[in-house]
Amino acid sequence: GAGVSQSPSNKVTEKGKDVELRCDPISGHTALYWYRQSLGQGLEFLIYFQGNSAPDKSGLPSDRFSAERTGGSVSTLTIQRTQQEDSAVYLCASSPRGRRNIQYFGAGTRLSVL
Amino acid sequence: EDQVTQSPEALRLQEGESSSLNCSYTVSGLRGLFWYRQDPGKGPEFLFTLYSAGEEKEKERLKATLTKKESFLHITAPKPEDSATYLCAVAGQGGSEKLVFGKGTKLTVNP
Repeated sequence: GAGVSQSPSNKVTEKGKDVELRCDPISGHTALYWYRQSLGQGLEFLIYFQGNSAPDKSGLPSDRFSAERTGGSVSTLTIQRTQQEDSAVYLCASSPRGRRNIQYFGAGTRLSVL
Repeated sequence: EDQVTQSPEALRLQEGESSSLNCSYTVSGLRGLFWYRQDPGKGPEFLFTLYSAGEEKEKERLKATLTKKESFLHITAPKPEDSATYLCAVAGQGGSEKLVFGKGTKLTVNP
């Protein structure tokens, strides 16, 4: 079946603009995660959704970052008033319930803030 | 705080030259240790998960092992197509489902 789909694959924006990144998880996966991968750094956890439970937002770096998941499927990560340090690859992953945390990743959105 | 350290940062091998990548971790109760492969411009691809010390998993030329403090990814007789960045991650008992990743080992296998 189809894997995790992310769009756009690349996004160039100007400092101060808002951006929205989209993630379509694997059908039937109840858990969805967002990570950020900066140059020379490991993947950094941002936020986690599981079914109808309250999301774990503990990794969001500032209140400029927010995410929502509609209908238990598609998720949108929004970054307001983008800064140059927000430039990174934003990766989405999904996981089926009962598979003990095996997360399957999309190809990511490369965000460049000029 | 859960931490993962991978070494070396980069490794160059000749085709057929076996070696090992290291992943050292500290975690408050290990729920799982994960190895992923990442090719340039792509997302991480799941390879293995290990849950308890002494466990081993194999896939083609790759073999992952786990102790209470570290994991090794052994690569036997590598081929150029094994060139990629290998990522190690842990999931702890802390209540969150997040993975904590190391910075990865960039492997290059020359023909």
